[in-house]
Amino acid sequence: ETGVTQTPRHLVMGMTNKKSLKCEQHLGHNAMYWYKQSAKKPLELMFVYSLEERVENNSVPSRFSPECPNSSHLFLHLHTLQPEDSALYLCASRRDRDISPLHFGNGTRLTVT
Amino acid sequence: EDQVTQSPEALRLQEGESSSLNCSYTVSGLRGLFWYRQDPGKGPEFLFTLYSAGEEKEKERLKATLTKKESFLHITAPKPEDSATYLCAVQAVTQGGSEKLVFGKGTKLTVNP
Repeated sequence: ETGVTQTPRHLVMGMTNKKSLKCEQHLGHNAMYWYKQSAKKPLELMFVYSLEERVENNSVPSRFSPECPNSSHLFLHLHTLQPEDSALYLCASRRDRDISPLHFGNGTRLTVT
Repeated sequence: EDQVTQSPEALRLQEGESSSLNCSYTVSGLRGLFWYRQDPGKGPEFLFTLYSAGEEKEKERLKATLTKKESFLHITAPKPEDSATYLCAVQAVTQGGSEKLVFGKGTKLTVNP
């Protein structure tokens, strides 16, 4: 399998639930990203991991917790979310230290009820 | 503040009616400009990277150009399958010397048969 794979594709959760989003890349990249995409807004960077170390945390609420166990896998752990957290969550990867494009997965559509 | 502005927000064309999408940017230290295509329910798909003013890239009916202040995505004789949201992103050097990627809000293109 090639590219960036995200699971699940859709997720509905209540505000008291705990869930995790998973991302896997098969491109040999060394940097992985979480983005949030909401209607009428630009993509919002949430977290960046380079060589498995978190290098950026863009003032994201602590109810979002990332984990990067190796250069191919990235998780986003979710707990006590708010309805305004409903959005498309996109994972991406790229070769770090280079002007190279991000390669995106197809996202997880999250709905918080 | 670094900004990327895409216009128009939405564009409707008839099949075969050529047009252009605009991405204007105000960043210091441009390192590269990326164009992506995003279909509904999917992640952005990389199209082009442009590195310096005067550069042009082509792929099928799409041609991307870059000046010192903006980029155009020209669509020649579009087909209904070109309908998508087109995103522009700029990689720039910040005042602190690190790099950041700034996305525009996108242009939603609809091509009617």
